[in-house]
Amino acid sequence: DTGVSQNPRHKITKRGQNVTFRCDPISEHNRLYWYRQTLGQGPEFLTYFQNEAQLEKSRLLSDRFSAERPKGSFSTLEIQRTEQGDSAMYLCASSSGTRPLHFGNGTRLTVT
Amino acid sequence: DAKTTQPTSMDCAEGRAANLPCNHSTISGNEYVYWYRQIHSQGPQYIIHGLKNNETNEMASLIITEDRKSSTLILPHATLRDTAVYYCIVPHSGGSNYKLTFGKGTLLTVNP
Repeated sequence: DTGVSQNPRHKITKRGQNVTFRCDPISEHNRLYWYRQTLGQGPEFLTYFQNEAQLEKSRLLSDRFSAERPKGSFSTLEIQRTEQGDSAMYLCASSSGTRPLHFGNGTRLTVT
Repeated sequence: DAKTTQPTSMDCAEGRAANLPCNHSTISGNEYVYWYRQIHSQGPQYIIHGLKNNETNEMASLIITEDRKSSTLILPHATLRDTAVYYCIVPHSGGSNYKLTFGKGTLLTVNP
């Protein structure tokens, strides 16, 4: 079990730029999730994939956000035209069936 | 998700048992109680979950009251590395356990 891997760990970008984060789940896990965590708050659900299908998206996921999982393995989360309010920790998790979620250590985004 | 209530913070002496309470008075009959923790700058880590019976694993014990309206997470011999925010979560039974609502959790500080 190599765990859920997220890259990069930190990203600083200027407002208006696009950013992309990558998540590599645990290899045998067919489910993948993205969460967002702002300072002092618990993580909030963004979206969920089962294999390559994106099955649910939160209202938090505005039109500037897009997530993909093209081959049912790794996933990317892209934010277009970043805003200062997008500054947060972006967490990826994976699971198999109804087993508990395993989280990565996140990508911390700072928009200046 | 069923609403959960946890104390904002707790302290514990190193080597002593840490008992973290959680109220979930609106829990439904088939909804599980999950506990995760988050150490600073890391992603959430699954600890334990249960439905009715008390559960124990290598990390902790979970005691659920008979009416299921509250539970207690027990770390039998707390160490400094157990300092973290602990989240008690009751996912909605209508779906899978992926859409976790974390809340603010309890900050447990283990003191030397």
